[in-house]
Amino acid sequence: DQQVKQNSPSLSVQEGRISILNCDYTNSMFDYFLWYKKYPAEGPTFLISISSIKDKNEDGRFTVFLNKSAKHLSLHIVPSQPGDSAVYFCAAIPGGGADGLTFGKGTHLIIQP
Amino acid sequence: DTGVSQNPRHKITKRGQNVTFRCDPISEHNRLYWYRQTLGQGPEFLTYFQNEAQLEKSRLLSDRFSAERPKGSFSTLEIQRTEQGDSAMYLCASSKGTGPNTEAFFGQGTRLTVV
Repeated sequence: DQQVKQNSPSLSVQEGRISILNCDYTNSMFDYFLWYKKYPAEGPTFLISISSIKDKNEDGRFTVFLNKSAKHLSLHIVPSQPGDSAVYFCAAIPGGGADGLTFGKGTHLIIQP
Repeated sequence: DTGVSQNPRHKITKRGQNVTFRCDPISEHNRLYWYRQTLGQGPEFLTYFQNEAQLEKSRLLSDRFSAERPKGSFSTLEIQRTEQGDSAMYLCASSKGTGPNTEAFFGQGTRLTVV
């Protein structure tokens, strides 16, 4: 049972345009959400996060939006750059207690010149 | 300190053999996590430590899997009697703090192939 779902295995975007990566979750206990980026042969690297008390968090070119009622979050990258080509994982963790992250399957973002 | 270090990077073993992987976290990080990642999937949480205490181990995949962090620094993950289905990337991550919402830094992983 996938508690974090990334329904697009891949996404192709032209350089300079906006990339929008989507993530849905089913567990209402999730309280904190993170996006990780992964290049081949490397471990995931943290990109940006959002707490459930917020609906938006921005860091440079990266913005994460959270819609709690829809159990949906999205990552916006603008403008997209060639170095953004990677696999992006959405992850979530329950509040109130320590635990590991629950990850989605990832979306492979390809930025085309 | 350059980050989370995992050794070996690759391991090929015959079915039925035991394997052990090592993870050295970022030095001031008190939390250490183990994950497994198979092809086309996201990382799957296995277990974690806060200092030397293993606070969650119910997600370890079977009783063939065990992990230790004896002095609260490096950790080892052991798989006994390996099976072909154990072939995967094993990732270690570490974080600082005691709250649940702390950014975890991942190592490059150990790729296990069971033949």
